[in-house]
Amino acid sequence: GESVGLHLPTLSVQEGDNSIINCAYSNSASDYFIWYKQESGKGPQFIIDIRSNMDKRQGQRVTVLLNKTVKHLSLQIAATQPGDSAVYFCAEVHAGGTSYGKLTFGQGTILTVHP
Amino acid sequence: GAVVSQHPSWVICKSGTSVKIECRSLDFQATTMFWYRQFPKQSLMLMATSNEGSKATYEQGVEKDKFLINHASLTLSTLTVTSAHPEDSSFYICSARDILGQGVNTEAFFGQGTRLTVV
Repeated sequence: GESVGLHLPTLSVQEGDNSIINCAYSNSASDYFIWYKQESGKGPQFIIDIRSNMDKRQGQRVTVLLNKTVKHLSLQIAATQPGDSAVYFCAEVHAGGTSYGKLTFGQGTILTVHP
Repeated sequence: GAVVSQHPSWVICKSGTSVKIECRSLDFQATTMFWYRQFPKQSLMLMATSNEGSKATYEQGVEKDKFLINHASLTLSTLTVTSAHPEDSSFYICSARDILGQGVNTEAFFGQGTRLTVV
């Protein structure tokens, strides 16, 4: 049995284009955020992280932007490739109390890259 | 990066039977592991936090008597779905954080997931 729930938003891009995936988080006290990539039938794979004392961090072909004022994260993928096709989740890490170390995942976005 | 291994990758069981899923950290020790459930085209939902040597902490709405968690060592946590029913069919994923990690701001490593189908 599957539970009824919202389906993930989708983003379709052409190979070589830049992709921007957005995420809203809920806890203004969160101080660490992670982007994950999940391919079909697999567990999440770490892409990039950012601490709340930063507003931008760059990796290889990826950039994460953090806007704490509006509690918004974005993941930018440069020169998107077919191998980037997957579901992308943002996650906020709980830092205090009984929730220490827990991840709360965002809704997720399905990225499809067309050759 | 560190490796977390889940076993089995997939399992089909009959309604009413129990299924055990293992989560192992292969090259690091973890005092805390997390168990998630994911339905198709949905996000990961935390079920429980597994603590080595103590009782697991369950999220609201998760039945602790149905989803038994045992964290017997610093490298192994198990999730047992008892008296499974078709509505328990889902993708179960564990994660672990290195005990030597610098507080909470360190990467959590995920297993490859277990696809459970109850018929």
